[in-house]
Amino acid sequence: EDKVVQSPLSLVVHEGDTVTLNCSYEVTNFRSLLWYKQEKKAPTFLFMLTSSGIEKKSGRLSSILDKKELFSILNITATQTGDSAVYLCAVDSNYQLIWGAGTKLIIKP
Amino acid sequence: GAGVSQSPRYKVAKRGQDVALRCDPISGHVSLFWYQQALGQGPEFLTYFQNEAQLDKSGLPSDRFFAERPEGSVSTLKIQRTQQEDSAVYLCASSLAQGTGYTFGSGTRLTVV
Repeated sequence: EDKVVQSPLSLVVHEGDTVTLNCSYEVTNFRSLLWYKQEKKAPTFLFMLTSSGIEKKSGRLSSILDKKELFSILNITATQTGDSAVYLCAVDSNYQLIWGAGTKLIIKP
Repeated sequence: GAGVSQSPRYKVAKRGQDVALRCDPISGHVSLFWYQQALGQGPEFLTYFQNEAQLDKSGLPSDRFFAERPEGSVSTLKIQRTQQEDSAVYLCASSLAQGTGYTFGSGTRLTVV
């Protein structure tokens, strides 16, 4: 059965800290892995990863994929209170998106 | 059900054909949303229901797109006279109430040829 597992389920850190969120997967037909930031409205697309070892960066956020070990990490450096959200990982497998349960990140001022 | 269920998972339509995409939200979830996600982009909002009432349809790209939720549970997104630019993943999400967490379905990937 295809599955995507995110860890930790929740994380509380102080502003300025660096965090690493994990996403591991077992799917039958991997096409890509996607990261989203979910707040109260529509999720914000962060990254799409298809190749191993190539880091994608956007400001303080970066992500990398390891297709051999079947996981991805999302790093956020110098966290700010506005980074507080649920971070979702999804794998595009055989024409459907398989979602992780998300990591709830809380940034304390 | 335990999650949001969408069907079909994959649909290939000839240009000009009408399609209907189905979303079964989590039982008891009042709010239901449809999104369109093009490859490599984030989901774009299409429309929002609260129970059977369609409160916001501002994201529907043209009058070829129509959504309904007649009994406040299952929703159908219909696209008439499909065009190639309609090719995308159509995501459905539900939530217990507006502003609370969303649960997304697996999506329907529509390819118009």
